[in-house]
Amino acid sequence: QVQLVESGGGVVQPGGSLRLSCAASGFTFSSYGMHWVRQAPGKGLEWVSFIRYDGSNKYYADSVKGRFTISRDDSKNTLYLEMNSLRAEDTAVYYCAKVNTYDTSGVYYLGWFDPWGQGTLVTVSS
Amino acid sequence: EIVMTQSPATLSVSPGERATLSCRASQSVSSDLAWYQQKPGQAPRLLVYGASTRATGIPARFSGSGSGTEFTLTISSLQSEDFAVYYCHQYNNWPPWTFGQGTKVEIK
Repeated sequence: QVQLVESGGGVVQPGGSLRLSCAASGFTFSSYGMHWVRQAPGKGLEWVSFIRYDGSNKYYADSVKGRFTISRDDSKNTLYLEMNSLRAEDTAVYYCAKVNTYDTSGVYYLGWFDPWGQGTLVTVSS
Repeated sequence: EIVMTQSPATLSVSPGERATLSCRASQSVSSDLAWYQQKPGQAPRLLVYGASTRATGIPARFSGSGSGTEFTLTISSLQSEDFAVYYCHQYNNWPPWTFGQGTKVEIK
């Protein structure tokens, strides 16, 4: 079945860096766009970044633009999130999620997120 | 950016009762609206997409409706496993993809 497994979280000091990974299985990874979504402790869901299936386009939330970089390695079926200049407000559980597409009159659109990984906790603290 | 607003923040319901959750978009998102369920310590789980299509394996007691800016998730008869936080999510106009702040369904 489709499975996403995140790793790489941990405790890092403000200003530090961390790289998250999301290992995918059970589907043709290279055919799907992928998202990162985060959830601060006790808070709601915040979209972080998206990469298209072929890596041709990448999008970022304003809160992480210029500090985070999304990438993918289709040979390893793995999604990455490189996080630099980390701040206390970046503390959260980070989820990866597969995008589902749908078509209307032969045109394909990006849709809902499913499934999600179990998440990896990033704590930014001195 | 499309702002998604959910109401109420908390809904207290007895098992077996009906629960109605609302989600409003700051501008039309057509039917590009999904609902997710999240239990403590777990990842979100897809319930509904396209505003009204149940995801695979989701019980029939969950139903979604609406289009444009007003959406509803109804749980017809709450079971013990349904007490959780529910999020709506629009994928019509992006970036950014946006979520509501969540509705917590708790036992009355």
